[in-house]
Amino acid sequence: GESVGLHLPTLSVQEGDNSIINCAYSNSASDYFIWYKQESGKGPQFIIDIRSNMDKRQGQRVTVLLNKTVKHLSLQIAATQPGDSAVYFCAENRNYGQNFVFGPGTRLSVLP
Amino acid sequence: DGGITQSPKYLFRKEGQNVTLSCEQNLNHDAMYWYRQDPGQGLRLIYYSQIVNDFQKGDIAEGYSVSREKKESFPLTVTSAQKNPTAFYLCASSVLAGPNYGYTFGSGTRLTVV
Repeated sequence: GESVGLHLPTLSVQEGDNSIINCAYSNSASDYFIWYKQESGKGPQFIIDIRSNMDKRQGQRVTVLLNKTVKHLSLQIAATQPGDSAVYFCAENRNYGQNFVFGPGTRLSVLP
Repeated sequence: DGGITQSPKYLFRKEGQNVTLSCEQNLNHDAMYWYRQDPGQGLRLIYYSQIVNDFQKGDIAEGYSVSREKKESFPLTVTSAQKNPTAFYLCASSVLAGPNYGYTFGSGTRLTVV
């Protein structure tokens, strides 16, 4: 069925390295995507979003890339810091204003 | 500061007991949502509401009930019919139109059956 998923459930990176978290989606009709960060025991926080008419969007130390050809979304975190350790979710929206569908999440661990 | 508040942070329920989780927002958002999160899983939608006095079932509504008497409030009741209620519950809100309609989440309520 249609779904939003993540390839890697766990990702470990050295402090200072760049991190790349991936997400696959199956519905080509999805037109809005969001990355969320969830720290332990807390609610998810918005990181960055991208619309289907864009391929790339940059924020502060984060970049989201969208490849509609292969239905793939990625989150790049530059110079990963200990505070980046969290679970990262991608979410897709298929109809404007309707409900988002969330993937299972990837846990990012930053090693000293 | 505007935000969305969930309470309590931790809640314990006895077998056969109904419990109610609170969710309040002062963001003037029209839509509110309840999600359930189990370890190693994504967020699953329980109920959502886009307007006062109206709400719809999500993917896992069985054993839960909600009300939306005020725009700011969307409480969730976990009834005794929910056989496996132990989970982390997240409330969210959003606008329904405009360029940025992503969710704002609360800090969650962890419910444990004892």
